[in-house]
Amino acid sequence: IAGITQAPTSQILAAGRRMTLRCTQDMRHNAMYWYRQDLGLGLRLIHYSNTAGTTGKGEVPDGYSVSRANTDDFPLTLASAVPSQTSVYFCASSDGASGGADTQYFGPGTRLTVL
Amino acid sequence: GQNIDQPTEMTATEGAIVQINCTYQTSGFNGLFWYQQHAGEAPTFLSYNVLDGLEEKGRFSSFLSRSKGYSYLLLKELQMKDSASYLCAVRDSDYKLSFGAGTTVTVRA
Repeated sequence: IAGITQAPTSQILAAGRRMTLRCTQDMRHNAMYWYRQDLGLGLRLIHYSNTAGTTGKGEVPDGYSVSRANTDDFPLTLASAVPSQTSVYFCASSDGASGGADTQYFGPGTRLTVL
Repeated sequence: GQNIDQPTEMTATEGAIVQINCTYQTSGFNGLFWYQQHAGEAPTFLSYNVLDGLEEKGRFSSFLSRSKGYSYLLLKELQMKDSASYLCAVRDSDYKLSFGAGTTVTVRA
């Protein structure tokens, strides 16, 4: 069982280019999340999806979009990348059950540099 | 929103005990999590507290006081492999996690 996979591992991107970060989980989790992690700021939620077909905005959604066509995949798209989007991006998933821990499990991350 | 504070760095000796404090101010509370993150890797789940008191898991323990908006993570019998960042995260009433900036623990021989 792979858990959560992300692709690419790292990417250098010219400003203004479009980029899609991929995230796939094989745990049949209902909920999925995208975070960015910047030095001194910790993990910040970009977008989330409680179940296939639904998405919601997190703390820092501007400049990003997501889709959730099925349970397993949750791609994050930067329509026109800017240097401030240079960060490490983590995808996470949880079973989404209310009550209990509903622990989030994280993918290995994508290191993105926008020049 | 949430305001979560934890120290930036801590250093301790192998075999010792270290306590990482986390204070939070929240508009809703639905549990507190601690994650461990080694450099260049993903965060991994350590502990979860939703009721007041101490949860023990081997060398790691986590404590919660909801009335004080306070938690700590206790690492006992420190090993070199415990050198990592430790992230405090609070889940709000919408079931979303807000993370502190993390505490980098360095274990020295």
